[in-house]
Order: sequence, then structure tokens, then C-alpha cells
Amino acid sequence: AQKVTQAQTEISVVEKEDVTLDCVYETRDTTYYLFWYKQPPSGELVFLIRRNSFDEQNEISGRYSWNFQKSTSSFNFTITASQVVDSAVYFCALSWGGGTSYGKLTFGQGTILTVHP
Amino acid sequence: DAGVIQSPRHEVTEMGQEVTLRCKPISGHNSLFWYRQTMMRGLELLIYFNNNVPIDDSGMPEDRFSAKMPNASFSTLKIQPSEPRDSAVYFCASSLGQQAFFGQGTRLTVV
Repeated sequence: AQKVTQAQTEISVVEKEDVTLDCVYETRDTTYYLFWYKQPPSGELVFLIRRNSFDEQNEISGRYSWNFQKSTSSFNFTITASQVVDSAVYFCALSWGGGTSYGKLTFGQGTILTVHP
Repeated sequence: DAGVIQSPRHEVTEMGQEVTLRCKPISGHNSLFWYRQTMMRGLELLIYFNNNVPIDDSGMPEDRFSAKMPNASFSTLKIQPSEPRDSAVYFCASSLGQQAFFGQGTRLTVV
């Protein structure tokens, strides 16, 4: 069975602090995709990143960076110099099965990030 | 492209009533997904379609829920009769390949 665990239910930081959101996944498939989504207070789900199981390169996009380690089945997300606008719920998700089923996501429970001014 | 469009954005209905949620996927996408978000269960997949055909409905909670996709540009999720425990945010998503794009969701309240 596929499973995604986000052990941190809530994180509170002060603006400009760095913060890392943890994600651990379980799957028996060798081909899979990992995602991070952001859900701001307005409620929509905003795509942040996709990583496939064969690409363990870390990625940086502005203040965001992701660390994918297959050895520990982790896909952690770091926000550098956090800002109040980063306050949201962040979801890690896993898809597998190939072909047309890649939108079939298993989500973690989410981490509520609050950035205080 | 306008993205995935869901309607209504908010729905309040009385227990026992039928409720229909609507979704227009992104043009050209061949897969469509319905998700439900609740505090207790988080985000869970209800059903997904490929080329308008239901592929996996194992997440549909019970027979009161049904989903259709009569054509490539429209899908509905119907609950009949509705119950208070159906109160949730329902998301529709579409994809062509490895990434799903989500609509803004429909917040359903059953009183």
C-alpha cells in the first residue's frame, strides 16, 4: 500500500527563519512521482514541485528547495528566509501506477505552517 | 486556459436533498479526478476517469455517491440523499501525464 507521512502537524516560525517540512513515503513501486502542494487560506491547491523516482537531484527554486533521498524514502521541503505569505498548509503526495493514473495521488495529512511577522 | 473550473464554489443543502457538483477539466486533459477533503480523513481520492471512462471508484464512500463524465469537458459528482457527514470540500482535478491540476473546490455543507 502507498502511504505518505508528514509527522509535523504544525510549525510556527518568525519571518526570515528557515523552515523544513518533512515527508516520508512508502511504496513498493519502483516508478513513482512525489509532489508538494500548497494550500493557502483561500483553499485552492497550488502545485509546487514534481519529482520522479529516478531523479534524486535536489532542486532549488527561489527560496524553495527540495531534498529527495530514496535511501530514507524522504522528500523534504525547505523554505529559506520565510515570509508571512508562506503561511499555508503544505501537502506532500505520492502517485504511482504509470500511464493515466499519475493524477491518482495519496496525500499526507499536511503541515500547517504559520509565519509570524 | 482558465484551469479546472468547479461549480458551485459553495453549497449549503438540507439533509436528504440531492446535491450535484460540477467540474470542467482543462481542455485536452484526458484524466479527471474527484477528491474530498475533510478534517478527519484529509484529502482522499473518490474516483477517477480516463477518456471519460471510470477507471477506479474504490474511494467512493457508498452508494449515495455517483459520478459521471458524459463528455471530455464535463463531469458531475452527485450525492443522493445527502447527509451531514458529507460536509467537506470536494476538489476536481485533471491531468495529461504526470501532473494533476486542481480546481478551486466546492465547499459543501449539509445541515
